[in-house]
Amino acid sequence: AQKVTQAQTEISVVEKEDVTLDCVYETRDTTYYLFWYKQPPSGELVFLIRRNSFDEQNEISGRYSWNFQKSTSSFNFTITASQVVDSAVYFCALRGVNNNDMRFGAGTRLTVKP
Amino acid sequence: DTAVSQTPKYLVTQMGNDKSIKCEQNLGHDTMYWYKQDSKKFLKIMFSYNNKELIINETVPNRFSPKSPDKAHLNLHINSLELGDSAVYFCASSLSTTPYNEKLFFGSGTQLSVL
Repeated sequence: AQKVTQAQTEISVVEKEDVTLDCVYETRDTTYYLFWYKQPPSGELVFLIRRNSFDEQNEISGRYSWNFQKSTSSFNFTITASQVVDSAVYFCALRGVNNNDMRFGAGTRLTVKP
Repeated sequence: DTAVSQTPKYLVTQMGNDKSIKCEQNLGHDTMYWYKQDSKKFLKIMFSYNNKELIINETVPNRFSPKSPDKAHLNLHINSLELGDSAVYFCASSLSTTPYNEKLFFGSGTQLSVL
């Protein structure tokens, strides 16, 4: 069975603060991919990053960074110097070799206040 | 050009009616999906088609029937709408079901409100 847990339902920060969104997953697959998607208030789902289970190297893209730790089954997402435009619901997702679909976590609503 | 387009964007209807949501992708992808997002933002897979063949059929009432006339289209028909069907329905596509690293491309969603 596959499961993705995003324990933080809502987070509120003030602009320029750093914020980390947690994602913990469960899978029996040894090979799998992890994803993060952003859903801004406009409603569309925007792909942010994809990571395979063999690559634990952290990734940085501008103000965004991702920390993948297989030992703790976590794939956390950090936004540095948050901005109001970062306000959105963020979803972590998992797709394994034995599954035809992508399983999403419940999402974390991030509100960045000016 | 919109990669995955679904219509209508908003759908307001009475209980008991039958309605359809259309989805088209112009990405040349083989696999298409329907996801339901409830009021708490939880995204749940409903159906998936690969090259017009049904490959995922989650526990969904049989009032919901997907139809894929070709691999670029996956429509969702809902019979006898109920209040609990109110949600946002997202269509998505991916290049294939394998390799499983393929990301999903989502449509902009259809907000269904059943009164």
